[in-house]
Amino acid sequence: AQSVTQPDIHITVSEGASLELRCNYSYGATPYLFWYVQSPGQGLQLLLKYFSGDTLVQGIKGFEAEFKRSQSSFNLRKPSVHWSDAAEYFCAVGEGRRALTFGSGTRLQVQP
Amino acid sequence: GAVVSQHPSWVICKSGTSVKIECRSLDFQATTMFWYRQFPKQSLMLMATSNEGSKATYEQGVEKDKFLINHASLTLSTLTVTSAHPEDSSFYICSARGTDRLFLHFGNGTRLTVT
Repeated sequence: AQSVTQPDIHITVSEGASLELRCNYSYGATPYLFWYVQSPGQGLQLLLKYFSGDTLVQGIKGFEAEFKRSQSSFNLRKPSVHWSDAAEYFCAVGEGRRALTFGSGTRLQVQP
Repeated sequence: GAVVSQHPSWVICKSGTSVKIECRSLDFQATTMFWYRQFPKQSLMLMATSNEGSKATYEQGVEKDKFLINHASLTLSTLTVTSAHPEDSSFYICSARGTDRLFLHFGNGTRLTVT
């Protein structure tokens, strides 16, 4: 069965600092990989996705993620965090036409 | 781009009553819809998968008689929480996929509070 691990429950960074959120998955083949962001009480917003091809994926709001097959990882990065980036971030894995499996989430706080 | 509309965005109901949540795909035909539940400060957990015209498939531990799912058309799926109890209070999110899409589109969620 697929599983997704986000080892960091909570991360605090200073505004303007760089950010990396970790995501590891467990699956036999190369799954489809996603990062979503969720503000309190809101739905999910897709930041970026990886299906195939270039392993460095660019997303919205200045985010990027790199798929590393050897490490079964899909870490999310941003070079300079803005206060508006404070939210909950979810990594998700999909296979074929099945539902997505979500990680437990990482809550990002941004200090001024 | 594709849009999935979920309604209502929030609802408060009394214990013992039923609540219906609608999920509509606005510009594509959703052959498959997924319903998730998210408790406070937790992740999204898949409740069930519904394919148009057939019975929903429920995940282990989800009561099919309590969470009724209907996917009668290619643009509409409904989730009815029957005889709601306070422990059913949660954030419910639907997602939809069309025949030609690998990509899932999510609704904005419904906040259910049972008093």
